[in-house]
Amino acid sequence: DAKTTQPPSMDCAEGRAANLPCNHSTISGNEYVYWYRQIHSQGPQYIIHGLKNNETNEMASLIITEDRKSSTLILPHATLRDTAVYYCIVRVGISSGSARQLTFGSGTQLTVLP
Amino acid sequence: NAGVMQNPRHLVRRRGQEARLRCSPMKGHSHVYWYRQLPEEGLKFMVYLQKENIIDESGMPKERFSAEFPKEGPSILRIQQVVRGDSAAYFCASTYGQGFSYEQYFGPGTRLTVT
Repeated sequence: DAKTTQPPSMDCAEGRAANLPCNHSTISGNEYVYWYRQIHSQGPQYIIHGLKNNETNEMASLIITEDRKSSTLILPHATLRDTAVYYCIVRVGISSGSARQLTFGSGTQLTVLP
Repeated sequence: NAGVMQNPRHLVRRRGQEARLRCSPMKGHSHVYWYRQLPEEGLKFMVYLQKENIIDESGMPKERFSAEFPKEGPSILRIQQVVRGDSAAYFCASTYGQGFSYEQYFGPGTRLTVT
């Protein structure tokens, strides 16, 4: 799976949009971008994933650049409960013998400030 | 629909004892993954199981660690003769199937402390 690069930490004011960047310059055509988050001491929580089109769900939006070398996770109105480590994971599509597990990097510690 | 359940949530063992960690997947899920998170580190994959089968154990230490997912009952991660370096949070995740698009749902974790 392609390597990802994320800033180690970011702050965001409560109520404002939080934009979390991720670089994945070596991504392959069949690799998807996944985002998970881990609130302190809890299990990781799935947020969103996408291939090349922008995606939106009730939690967040995912913007993937046209060349797919980077993406941005957007939390439109951050709350204090969004304080967590956010992981950007690039994962190959399923095929025989391909890895199915998630490979977590260091992630970005997002702190939402009151 | 209950989420992924893990027990115990906290486990304290003395060096040399055995630790058994249990994971009950979400209803309808037949695939389980185990991950380990050492203090101040990210999650590392250990093993991937389907019912009665180990599919990928490439992340599992070669000695003292074993995992199973029987036809009935929870998945078990077993650590024999624990050492202080085994102190960590152990998370399991479950999915409905083996397709990559099936999101992994994580449990709350078991925090193992070896004294």
